[in-house]
Amino acid sequence: EVQLVESGGGLVHPGGSLRLSCAASGFTFSSYALHWVRQAPGKGLEYVSAISSNGVGTYYANSVKGRFTISRDNSKNTLYLQMGSLRAEDMAVYYCARVFGVSSGWYFDYWGQGTLVTVSS
Amino acid sequence: DIQMTQSPSSLSASVGDRVTITCRASQSISNYLNWYQQKPGKAPKVLIYAASSLRSGVPSRFSGSGSGTEFTLTISSLQPEDFATYHCQQSYGTPLNTFGQGTKVEIK
Repeated sequence: EVQLVESGGGLVHPGGSLRLSCAASGFTFSSYALHWVRQAPGKGLEYVSAISSNGVGTYYANSVKGRFTISRDNSKNTLYLQMGSLRAEDMAVYYCARVFGVSSGWYFDYWGQGTLVTVSS
Repeated sequence: DIQMTQSPSSLSASVGDRVTITCRASQSISNYLNWYQQKPGKAPKVLIYAASSLRSGVPSRFSGSGSGTEFTLTISSLQPEDFATYHCQQSYGTPLNTFGQGTKVEIK
């Protein structure tokens, strides 16, 4: 059974840092690209960052570029998101999601349960 | 960046109703459009991918259509378990992808 389990969320002061983890199981981790997607309270879904299956390609939304770093450890089947210079607008539930490719694009076929990041003084 | 606009933002419907949700892209995205269902406190689940392909295990009352810039998600006969929020997502601008703002389907 495919599972993605996020951890590392919590309360952080503005300007602070936090590292999120996403532990994967039930599939060949190193074969899939992964994304972080967030959802602010009562709001829609927002792409945050993506990483290729081998970790070489990393991509960021403009809103987090220069502050967040995505990485993965394929030997530990774990995805990470290092978040720095956190702002109130970064407060959200953060999901990791697996990419599944099809002939016309791709979609997220599995998601974690999410981890809440609260940014407040 | 490609912008996705969903309408309506919310709707009230009764069990058995036919429901249609629209998603418009700011530029052509071919058929690189996915639909997700999200229930409160849960992660989204994919229903439709590539505009009109039904994900395995998803009930056939869900269908998707469209290409280019206009897409629709239709629920042919709304069931109690379908009350949720629905999100469209474009995967054309890989890996940058964007979601619509969501459509909340509520019980009338």
